[in-house]
Amino acid sequence: AQSVTQLGSHVSVSEGALVLLRCNYSSSVPPYLFWYVQYPNQGLQLLLKYTSAATLVKGINGFEAEFKKSETSFHLTKPSAHMSDAAEYFCAVSDKNTNAGKSTFGDGTTLTVKP
Amino acid sequence: DAGVIQSPRHEVTEMGQEVTLRCKPISGHNSLFWYRQTMMRGLELLIYFNNNVPIDDSGMPEDRFSAKMPNASFSTLKIQPSEPRDSAVYFCASRGQGSYGYTFGSGTRLTVV
Repeated sequence: AQSVTQLGSHVSVSEGALVLLRCNYSSSVPPYLFWYVQYPNQGLQLLLKYTSAATLVKGINGFEAEFKKSETSFHLTKPSAHMSDAAEYFCAVSDKNTNAGKSTFGDGTTLTVKP
Repeated sequence: DAGVIQSPRHEVTEMGQEVTLRCKPISGHNSLFWYRQTMMRGLELLIYFNNNVPIDDSGMPEDRFSAKMPNASFSTLKIQPSEPRDSAVYFCASRGQGSYGYTFGSGTRLTVV
């Protein structure tokens, strides 16, 4: 069984401030981990993914995430928030051993960026 | 590539009516997923297919829901009869062989009155 927990359903930062969105996972096998972003009235868009190569993964729009096995975490960061980053962010986990397997999504974190 | 295409974008129907949602995955992708999103329950996986074969339909709420994938380029999700509690945004996503992230469609916003 696998699951993800996103700590904080709402995060608010000022424009230019550091963005930190937290995700912890649970998996009985080595995981693949993902972050997706959803803008209003749109589908989810893949931001970045960890598939057991480098533990620090860089994605689109200046976001990055670090896989920490000892902490079972995959937190998403961006050094400087932009107004356009306001959206909902989802962490997801897949079973590494099953290429055809499904992803399990977290409950999402809504990011608000204040001017 | 046009991405994952869902139709219609919005659907308003009366309780008891049949609703059919449609999805065209990205060409060459061999896995297709149907999700439902609500404020109360978040993102729920309803069913997914590999190579047009249903693999896991444990998330389908009840017999009123059915999904088909007659070929690699088309899938439908049908609700019959529809109920107000089915109101949600329904997403289709596809994934290619050897890839691990999904590509989502823009969703169908279903309102059952």
